[in-house]
Amino acid sequence: DADVTQTPRNRITKTGKRIMLECSQTKGHDRMYWYRQDPGLGLQLIYYSFDVKDINKGEISDGYSVSRQAQAKFSLSLESAIPNQTALYFCAAGTGVTGELFFGEGSRLTVL
Amino acid sequence: SQKIEQNSEALNIQEGKTATLTCNYTNYSPAYLQWYRQDPGRGPVFLLLIRENEKEKRKERLKVTFDTTLKQSLFHITASQPADSATYLCALQRAGGGNKLTFGTGTQLKVEL
Repeated sequence: DADVTQTPRNRITKTGKRIMLECSQTKGHDRMYWYRQDPGLGLQLIYYSFDVKDINKGEISDGYSVSRQAQAKFSLSLESAIPNQTALYFCAAGTGVTGELFFGEGSRLTVL
Repeated sequence: SQKIEQNSEALNIQEGKTATLTCNYTNYSPAYLQWYRQDPGRGPVFLLLIRENEKEKRKERLKVTFDTTLKQSLFHITASQPADSATYLCALQRAGGGNKLTFGTGTQLKVEL
């Protein structure tokens, strides 16, 4: 089983719709992250959470919100999707100060 | 402003040769540097981590160096194979930053027969 699972893997939606991307992990990592990847821009951090009661904005949080429902679950919401939010979204989980991140397989979102 | 630079041009090498990828950074004092591999349409996969007080780290055919004076890390794959073809990302982390990483844009490696 994958450490980090993202759903949906692909989603096409229309401008103005509300979208939720879900992420769950099975290894008990305390830290979870949402990144966005665009061609030529690399991975940009949207939000991160170091535990259930801790939510922090990343570099590009405008237009996004998150919820850490449990240690294993971290969801990303787009309240009113717009076309420039079309991208590949990755959830990641990690433990400790210097530990590596474990990424999900990504959720490809297209906003028309 | 902080900047992490990886060569945006693809690196093409012959099977069996050593591939060397570069990660340069400016206006940054990383405590840790990590390298990840990413295949098309897949999530990045962790390869190696090196600390600021370490000069070199090895894992099987992989070697990473970290020069905080030059503000540069080199990532080597020896005896390269076509299966090594992928995009390789470097990521930097400040001391006390948890594992909140800042990623470079990656360099695509193509290993040809």
